[in-house]
Amino acid sequence: GAGVSQSPRYKVAKRGQDVALRCDPISGHVSLFWYQQALGQGPEFLTYFQNEAQLDKSGLPSDRFFAERPEGSVSTLKIQRTQQEDSAVYLCASSLDSQVKGSPLHFGNGTRLTVT
Amino acid sequence: AQSVAQPEDQVNVAEGNPLTVKCTYSVSGNPYLFWYVQYPNRGLQFLLKYITGDNLVKGSYGFEAEFNKSQTSFHLKKPSALVSDSALYFCAVRTQKLVFGTGTRLLVSP
Repeated sequence: GAGVSQSPRYKVAKRGQDVALRCDPISGHVSLFWYQQALGQGPEFLTYFQNEAQLDKSGLPSDRFFAERPEGSVSTLKIQRTQQEDSAVYLCASSLDSQVKGSPLHFGNGTRLTVT
Repeated sequence: AQSVAQPEDQVNVAEGNPLTVKCTYSVSGNPYLFWYVQYPNRGLQFLLKYITGDNLVKGSYGFEAEFNKSQTSFHLKKPSALVSDSALYFCAVRTQKLVFGTGTRLLVSP
């Protein structure tokens, strides 16, 4: 079946521009996660949704970062006034049930954001 | 807070030889441990997990991992490495969110 789909695959933004990154999770998956992966690093947690509720946004680096999942399916990560330090790969993952901690996360291929 | 450590930035092994990628963890309560693999320009692919039960868990592509509670380790292993196994490997621990280690690059030479 279809996996987690992210778009665009690549995004180049000029410093100060706003960007929006989209994630289509696996159908029926309750939980959705956003991670940021800098070059040569492990993924760092940004935020987490259970259905449409954003239960944890402790990893968002600043108030320029905003995520939503209004209907409990597709999610958008928005970055306002992008800075060069925002350059990274943004990974989206979904999981069948957040309450089942053994349920693996399924990742999309990511969006590589480059801020010039 | 939970964390994982991957002490090796890179592991080199010859094709056909056994491989081990090390991981240690720190978590309060029972650990839920995972291994993921990442190929260039791709997302992470789930390899295997430990929840409970047998300390040796088997996963995709012939990989297995050994859970050792006393040493708080969860090392990834494969009896015979393939060149195509060359990739970036991440150990992770989950409570609510999944927390990753810094990754280990595996290079398998022909």
